[in-house]
Amino acid sequence: EIVLTQSPATLSLSPGERATLSCRASQSINTYLGWYQQKPGQAPRLVMYDTSKRATGIPARFSGSGSGTDFTLTISSLEPEDFAVYYCQQRSYWPQTFGQGTKVEIK
Amino acid sequence: EVQLVESGGGLVQPGGSLRLSCAASGFTLINFWMSWVRQTPEKGLEWVANIKQDGSATYYVDSVRGRFTISRDNAENSLFLQMNSLRVEDTAIYYCTRVANAYFDYWGQGALVTVSS
Repeated sequence: EIVLTQSPATLSLSPGERATLSCRASQSINTYLGWYQQKPGQAPRLVMYDTSKRATGIPARFSGSGSGTDFTLTISSLEPEDFAVYYCQQRSYWPQTFGQGTKVEIK
Repeated sequence: EVQLVESGGGLVQPGGSLRLSCAASGFTLINFWMSWVRQTPEKGLEWVANIKQDGSATYYVDSVRGRFTISRDNAENSLFLQMNSLRVEDTAIYYCTRVANAYFDYWGQGALVTVSS
């Protein structure tokens, strides 16, 4: 099973700042990585898939990069609605697995 | 608008059974694989089961195989998860999800399943 390790666990930033979230896979997963955003009391929402493709309705301030084992989700300028928990997920190997999450909180 | 609405969650004793349902709307169900994904504070997000468009293939995480059964009724726009021999560790929020390219592109609001004596 592929283990995804996210860092940091918590990111404390102010609106307007840049957020950089990391996800590392226990072995190479090519570019088959997605990111989800989850707000309190809500279901996760797909943000990015195949490393760098934005899901429907996701604004351009979200971008993704990486390949192999190291991946990054970047939010170029945080808006109030971006403060949430973000999870990565790989689809390269069965079973699909998720990371443990990074919380982006207001500083 | 794509909507997935789960129902059937609740409190059940260890060893008991529960059936979750998911009503799908806003898209043509038969065109998509569907999945159940669960979430707990301890283990986070965990994929549970997949089912192919026509129901001819199903897949399960090892921990539920033989106890859970995923099924669908495309004519009724519905997805199901029959959960038998429930364990305390099955306690979670269960999400019905649509699958696109092996990612979960739409999620329901979740159904809470609590297994406790």
